[in-house]
Amino acid sequence: QVQLEQSGSELKKPGSSVKVSCQASGGTISGYTVTWVRQAPGQGLEWMGRIITTFGATNYAQQFQGRVTFTADESTSTAYMELRSLTSEDTAVYYCARVSWAAAGKGDYMDVWGKGTTVIVSS
Amino acid sequence: DIQMTQSPSSLSASVGDRVTITCRASQSVSNYLNWYQQRPGEAPKLLIYAASNSQGGVPFRFRGSGSGTVFTLTISSLQPEDVATYYCQQSYSTLVTFGGGTKVNIK
Repeated sequence: QVQLEQSGSELKKPGSSVKVSCQASGGTISGYTVTWVRQAPGQGLEWMGRIITTFGATNYAQQFQGRVTFTADESTSTAYMELRSLTSEDTAVYYCARVSWAAAGKGDYMDVWGKGTTVIVSS
Repeated sequence: DIQMTQSPSSLSASVGDRVTITCRASQSVSNYLNWYQQRPGEAPKLLIYAASNSQGGVPFRFRGSGSGTVFTLTISSLQPEDVATYYCQQSYSTLVTFGGGTKVNIK
């Protein structure tokens, strides 16, 4: 059963960048789409975007365009999320999740989630 | 972007009660609608995909229904371990969106 293991908590200064990793164990992310979702303290889930690992193709939510980059290394089954120009509003738990496809005409869904990486932005 | 609106935002019910959560989309998402459960301090967990299909291992008391713009998640008999926040999510659009969440507590 594949699991996604995320990197540890980060404390960052405003204006800096953070890079979070998400490594598959017990399986691979090759051929899958990995999505990134964040959750600010006491708030709901916010979709950041996705990367199709095989092609490196990405989609980003508009609010993160130009400030976030997703990459993937199939050789190590690891996906990465880098967020730049951090502000206090980026303080959140960041989750990676594997996307699987239902049968034709039923869409896709996030069926395996990492435990989350806490990023705190503070001066 | 497709807006997803959940109601209620929170509810309290007794153990054994039937609980219904509604999710409305700002435009049709066909049946491209998923439900997740997030217990306090944990990552979200997939419950229902494609509106009405249960993920493996999910108890039978969780049922999803609906299509188009209105969807429901029903817990037929609320249990203490169901205390959580529940989110709907559409995958119809390339730009995925979540509902705001429904927090379920035990009375």
